[in-house]
Amino acid sequence: DAGVTQSPTHLIKTRGQQVTLRCSPKSGHDTVSWYQQALGQGPQFIFQYYEEEERQRGNFPDRFSGHQFPNYSSELNVNALLLGDSALYLCASSNYRDRVITEAFFGQGTRLTVV
Amino acid sequence: AQSVTQPDIHITVSEGASLELRCNYSYGATPYLFWYVQSPGQGLQLLLKYFSGDTLVQGIKGFEAEFKRSQSSFNLRKPSVHWSDAAEYFCAVGPYSGGGADGLTFGKGTHLIIQP
Repeated sequence: DAGVTQSPTHLIKTRGQQVTLRCSPKSGHDTVSWYQQALGQGPQFIFQYYEEEERQRGNFPDRFSGHQFPNYSSELNVNALLLGDSALYLCASSNYRDRVITEAFFGQGTRLTVV
Repeated sequence: AQSVTQPDIHITVSEGASLELRCNYSYGATPYLFWYVQSPGQGLQLLLKYFSGDTLVQGIKGFEAEFKRSQSSFNLRKPSVHWSDAAEYFCAVGPYSGGGADGLTFGKGTHLIIQP
């Protein structure tokens, strides 16, 4: 049973560029959440997707957007990259029906470096 | 707004000694509380969680945590640490409106160093 998988594992981009990160949820999960973890900090919640719609959003600018596909996989897009966007981006999956009584499972993350 | 404070940025413990990592939260209702562990360059692994009921919860790898509502704390403990416990530990709280799998608020983490 594959867990949460993220791609790519590492990425280097230039300021002003756009980037897309991908996440496949754990088998049986239908909800994907994205987090940003800056160096030396705890993860910060970006947003959550269920039924191909953004359900919750943290305090992140509109440059951060996402998408969920019918197979429950998800993409995180960041436009107009800033140096401060350099971070580990974590994806977490869960089952929406059980979300009150259970927890999310995290992937290994994508390390984004903006130069 | 809810928040999580982990007062200790670094903790050094000798192998075989006991461990306690502190976590305080600010929350307006009965919280969902979590402890996660992260090894270098890795994702987060859940150690244990508190949703309701018994305030002393057992987790994986011999860890336990106690929820104390009066102190707004959820401290993590282990009776005897192993060198493999060296990692970053994060305390987290669930959102007001949702559940354990919704957007979490994390503390800044405690870096655990194990001395031989």
